[in-house]
Amino acid sequence: EAGVAQSPRYKIIEKRQSVAFWCNPISGHATLYWYQQILGQGPKLLIQFQNNGVVDDSQLPKDRFSAERLKGVDSTLKIQPAKLEDSAVYLCASKKPGQGARETQYFGPGTRLLVL
Amino acid sequence: AQSVAQPEDQVNVAEGNPLTVKCTYSVSGNPYLFWYVQYPNRGLQFLLKYITGDNLVKGSYGFEAEFNKSQTSFHLKKPSALVSDSALYFCALQNTGFQKLVFGTGTRLLVSP
Repeated sequence: EAGVAQSPRYKIIEKRQSVAFWCNPISGHATLYWYQQILGQGPKLLIQFQNNGVVDDSQLPKDRFSAERLKGVDSTLKIQPAKLEDSAVYLCASKKPGQGARETQYFGPGTRLLVL
Repeated sequence: AQSVAQPEDQVNVAEGNPLTVKCTYSVSGNPYLFWYVQYPNRGLQFLLKYITGDNLVKGSYGFEAEFNKSQTSFHLKKPSALVSDSALYFCALQNTGFQKLVFGTGTRLLVSP
């Protein structure tokens, strides 16, 4: 079974530029998550999708971050304009439908963003 | 509020010795607890989880974790450490509402030859 795919793996941009990340979850996984992991910290949820609907985006800085999952499969996360403090690893995870919180989230390799 | 604490930033152990990585949690209701491992420039890999039942959970690569409800702990253990176990370990709690993972700050495990 193929894992969660993410691209690009690395990105370097200047502040105030825009950037987009892509995620393709494990086939059949209805729930998709984007997490931000700042160096030295644990991942923090940015947004959660169930199929193509948003379940939780309470921690998403909506003035600069946006995300979509139009067809309920792959997803993109965009930052516009980027700030220095957005430098982090952006992790995508997916979970199959089933027993809710009992199910395991599986993570992709992440996209490492450096904002200069 | 739900939270996870990993009190040690780093754990050092010699190869062949037992290892323990500590985790405590705070949650209302039933805790669903997970351990993930992160190698350099890699994503998080699932190790094991506690949902219900037996307090000793066995997972990948010889790791196990003991759930202790009275001490609100979920410590990760391995009887004999390998140098290849050196990595960053995260304990996490998945809430029953929105089902997001709440992570601890991570513990770096360093196994010396």
